[in-house]
Amino acid sequence: AQKVTQAQTEISVVEKEDVTLDCVYETRDTTYYLFWYKQPPSGELVFLIRRNSFDEQNEISGRYSWNFQKSTSSFNFTITASQVVDSAVYFCALSEGLTNYGQNFVFGPGTRLSVLP
Amino acid sequence: DAMVIQNPRYQVTQFGKPVTLSCSQTLNHNVMYWYQQKSSQAPKLLFHYYDKDFNNEADTPDNFQSRRPNTSFCFLDIRSPGLGDAAMYLCATSISRGNQPQHFGDGTRLSIL
Repeated sequence: AQKVTQAQTEISVVEKEDVTLDCVYETRDTTYYLFWYKQPPSGELVFLIRRNSFDEQNEISGRYSWNFQKSTSSFNFTITASQVVDSAVYFCALSEGLTNYGQNFVFGPGTRLSVLP
Repeated sequence: DAMVIQNPRYQVTQFGKPVTLSCSQTLNHNVMYWYQQKSSQAPKLLFHYYDKDFNNEADTPDNFQSRRPNTSFCFLDIRSPGLGDAAMYLCATSISRGNQPQHFGDGTRLSIL
């Protein structure tokens, strides 16, 4: 069965520090997709990135970067020079695509990031 | 502009009294999902519609039902809410299933008295 682990329940940093959120996944499929979502206090989940299992290139988007390593089944997310507005719960998610029953899209437990001024 | 709209933002109902939550989308996406999210937990998928095809998750209680009368709208019906059903309910859409990003609404927070 697929599984997503985010070992860090809560992280606090001071503004301008860099912070890395860990995500480790388990799947038996060779084709799968990984996602990161941000959930600010307002409640809406905001899509940040999607990565497929055949693309191990790291990605950078502004202050955000993602490190995908199949060898360790990890898809870590780094925020550089963190800001107060980055305070949110961050979810890593895994999709193996269609199964015979329902949509196989699983979220990790989330990491609550607090960025202090 | 909001693309996935959930109404109401907050809903209060009585124990055992049926309640309906609504979701609409302007994205013309084929798939609509309903998630339940309890405090400090990850969202849990209840079911989804691929066009008119309804797909229930194996562990979704029978108390939860859904309707999708057209592409734009999807409803979550809770037939007899219990105290354990108090949660945030999130609606999401995607172009297709499996590997596409899901776009979420702001959620409806349901309280049970």
